[in-house]
Amino acid sequence: EAGVTQFPSHSVIEKGQTVTLRCDPISGHDNLYWYRRVMGKEIKFLLHFVKESKQDESGMPNNRFLAERTGGTYSTLKVQPAELEDSGVYFCASSHPQGPYEQYFGPGTRLTVT
Amino acid sequence: AQRVTQPEKLLSVFKGAPVELKCNYSYSGSPELFWYVQYSRQRLQLLLRHISRESIKGFTADLNKGETSFHLKKPFAQEEDSAMYYCALSRSYSGAGSYQLTFGKGTKLSVIP
Repeated sequence: EAGVTQFPSHSVIEKGQTVTLRCDPISGHDNLYWYRRVMGKEIKFLLHFVKESKQDESGMPNNRFLAERTGGTYSTLKVQPAELEDSGVYFCASSHPQGPYEQYFGPGTRLTVT
Repeated sequence: AQRVTQPEKLLSVFKGAPVELKCNYSYSGSPELFWYVQYSRQRLQLLLRHISRESIKGFTADLNKGETSFHLKKPFAQEEDSAMYYCALSRSYSGAGSYQLTFGKGTKLSVIP
């Protein structure tokens, strides 16, 4: 069984540019979560999809971040325009639609904004 | 507000010595507690959860509701235990809904040969 995949593994962009991160969850996992870890801080929740619907987006920092999950399969997280403080590692996790809701994490995308 | 505190950023122990990674939490209600581990160049993976009450790779963790703690323990550390360990919590399983994880900052365990 393939695990959660994320693309790209590393992205370096300039302040003001746009970046789109992609996450492919484990097949059959309706739940998809985005998290991020900025330097020196803990891993923080961004948002949660159930299939294509946003269940909880309380962790999204501001309106420069846009997450989508068209068709309920893969998800994208777009940052536009990127700021220096957006640098960090962005993780995606997925879990099965029925319990016990264990979350399986992807390898993360390291975003560097210069 | 819910919070997870891991007071040690780095913990170094000798091989064969006991290990205890500390975790304290604050949460209104009864959370579910987890330990996640990230080995070098690998992804974050679940080590154990309090509800399972099992031992994984020799590690155990007991939920102490009175002290709001969920410390991770192993009686004899091995070199392969060197990794980053994260304590996390979510709301207790109760059907559909969001089970977002709240993480601590992590403790880097280094086992000295």
